[in-house]
Amino acid sequence: DAKTTQPPSMDCAEGRAANLPCNHSTISGNEYVYWYRQIHSQGPQYIIHGLKNNETNEMASLIITEDRKSSTLILPHATLRDTAVYYCIVRVGDNYGQNFVFGPGTRLSVLP
Amino acid sequence: EAGVAQSPRYKIIEKRQSVAFWCNPISGHATLYWYQQILGQGPKLLIQFQNNGVVDDSQLPKDRFSAERLKGVDSTLKIQPAKLEDSAVYLCASSLSAGLAGAPSYNEQFFGPGTRLTVL
Repeated sequence: DAKTTQPPSMDCAEGRAANLPCNHSTISGNEYVYWYRQIHSQGPQYIIHGLKNNETNEMASLIITEDRKSSTLILPHATLRDTAVYYCIVRVGDNYGQNFVFGPGTRLSVLP
Repeated sequence: EAGVAQSPRYKIIEKRQSVAFWCNPISGHATLYWYQQILGQGPKLLIQFQNNGVVDDSQLPKDRFSAERLKGVDSTLKIQPAKLEDSAVYLCASSLSAGLAGAPSYNEQFFGPGTRLTVL
């Protein structure tokens, strides 16, 4: 089972920031938080990941609370092309051992 | 850079028939994954290869599903015989090798477009 809880859907106005929350209250000390998104009829696409510090890249920012029990993915200026299902996943950092467990994610609709 | 290639993109078969899906990962990627995504759900890992060896196939229904990656590059996923509940999108992904097991590193998974299977 997925170790994360996300709202099933959210709306955001085009040009505004989209803030997608994720709860992971049982996260372990060595588990990272990953975000992927899946645009309709495409495979998932990596966005960002982090351990405990906030992270930013060209796509988004990831804010992780100090107790690491929740996080927020921020798309600073949402566009219509950001409409997708966003998945929050927690797992250890290496590629061996436990693998990704995708939950149902949050369906983000960016509205014009 | 070429992405992960999958074929066919769509397949319709009747139950109890057989079907095979093909995946060509990104050049140089040692790790290959097959996922099953049922409508409205997130992808579920079926099997993971590291080069031509299986790392994890714990969620692969081995009575009807099989997968191989003989030369450590392309991979084939087969279903024989298919059931109605196998209707789903089958996604292939690849990533660079992680290096030493246990080392805190992460290599992004790159997904292909998927094969949509409909079993009638």
